[in-house]
Amino acid sequence: NAGVTQTPKFQVLKTGQSMTLQCAQDMNHNSMYWYRQDPGMGLRLIYYSASEGTTDKGEVPNGYNVSRLNKREFSLRLESAAPSQTSVYFCASFVAYGYTFGSGTRLTVV
Amino acid sequence: GENVEQHPSTLSVQEGDSAVIKCTYSDSASNYFPWYKQELGKGPQLIIDIRSNVGEKKDQRIAVTLNKTAKHFSLHITETQPEDSAVYFCAASRGQASGTYKYIFGTGTRLKVLA
Repeated sequence: NAGVTQTPKFQVLKTGQSMTLQCAQDMNHNSMYWYRQDPGMGLRLIYYSASEGTTDKGEVPNGYNVSRLNKREFSLRLESAAPSQTSVYFCASFVAYGYTFGSGTRLTVV
Repeated sequence: GENVEQHPSTLSVQEGDSAVIKCTYSDSASNYFPWYKQELGKGPQLIIDIRSNVGEKKDQRIAVTLNKTAKHFSLHITETQPEDSAVYFCAASRGQASGTYKYIFGTGTRLKVLA
């Protein structure tokens, strides 16, 4: 099925641990995005990639790194997780104005 | 900085009634305004959008209106049904030189349609 696939769906980390959230799209889109969703704050852009080989910071990039591995894959890394990074993370790809979102990763940092 | 305000945060309506969600944006260069519906446990899905050269757009029971002068836009859902219950997000965007579109999202409205 065409779309955006995120793994894992759920994750619990201890403060200071690291992890990588994976995202892959099979729609041949150039642009990919990482958002975080927090109650009462909507979705906020963390990083985005306009095309393979390029990445740029969004609104809330601190504490995160990204890699655009190839046209299909765009990963988000937390080097040293903090409780403030507890959130639901969404990856999206984009063409002709419209985002297609993945189903999200619910991350809890204790 | 740029922001989008969305009201109300929660909205309960009786089945068959209409629902209206309003958003106000700050960036006068915004030229694209999508609306997303998010069901429980899923990612947001685009339901309707409007561009700045259009004042109104309708798709069956859903319509969006845009007032560029006042910098606000609204989502209208008529004849609401239980399956309309979800969280709705508005967003504002303008194209970037790189060809990307960074959205500024509103904070969301939780719509409950009561049977």
